[in-house]
Amino acid sequence: GAGVSQSPSNKVTEKGKDVELRCDPISGHTALYWYRQSLGQGLEFLIYFQGNSAPDKSGLPSDRFSAERTGGSVSTLTIQRTQQEDSAVYLCASSLHTGAYEQYFGPGTRLTVT
Amino acid sequence: AQSVSQHNHHVILSEAASLELGCNYSYGGTVNLFWYVQYPGQHLQLLLKYFSGDPLVKGIKGFEAEFIKSKFSFNLRKPSVQWSDTAEYFCAVNLLGGNTPLVFGKGTRLSVIA
Repeated sequence: GAGVSQSPSNKVTEKGKDVELRCDPISGHTALYWYRQSLGQGLEFLIYFQGNSAPDKSGLPSDRFSAERTGGSVSTLTIQRTQQEDSAVYLCASSLHTGAYEQYFGPGTRLTVT
Repeated sequence: AQSVSQHNHHVILSEAASLELGCNYSYGGTVNLFWYVQYPGQHLQLLLKYFSGDPLVKGIKGFEAEFIKSKFSFNLRKPSVQWSDTAEYFCAVNLLGGNTPLVFGKGTRLSVIA
C-alpha cells in the first residue's frame, strides 16, 4: 500500500519568508509525528498528533514553528520568518494507534534557507 | 529525559566482516527499542524492534539485536556485512504503552568496502 508522502521534496526559501510543509500519513494511521534531521543534531522530535487529542508540541524549537492536522489525516508544518538555522530535512512519520508502535517515515522535505 | 547514545560515528568494514554497532539508552522505565536504517538517498526504514519477550530479535537483511536490560543496551549485529549495507543506522527509544515520539541516537554511518 501507499506509504507516508511529503511535499515538496525540496524547498529553497529566503530568510524571513514563511514556508509550509505537507505530510500525508498512511491511511488509517491515527498518530502523526514531525521530526527534523540536521547535521550535527541528528533526528529531533518536533510535534506529535494522536487522534483528536491536543498535540504534543514539546519539541518545537520556537514559536515560529506550528503545525496542524486537518480531519485527522493530512498535516501541515509551518515555519514563519525562516532563519538559516532552520535548514534541515523535515521528516513526517505515522503509526497506528493501539497495539502498534512502529513509526513509518516519509521521504522528507529538504528545506534550505538562503 | 530519555537519551540514546551511539558510540561510533563512522564505521568502515570490509565485505564479509562482522558488525556490531553499540546503542545505550538512559531511562529507568520500560521502553520500546528500534533500529532504523537510512540507505543513501532513501528514507528511514525499520530494521528491527523490541517490545517484550525474547531479548534477541531478528530483523530484515540478516540483522539482529540483543536487548540487555542490565546494561541499558540494544546493540545491532550482523555476522557478515555486504557492500549494500552501506548506510546510516539509527537506534531509537520510546516509552512502552503509548504512541510516544521516538528519541533517536545521532546515528552511525557504516561504509562497507569491497
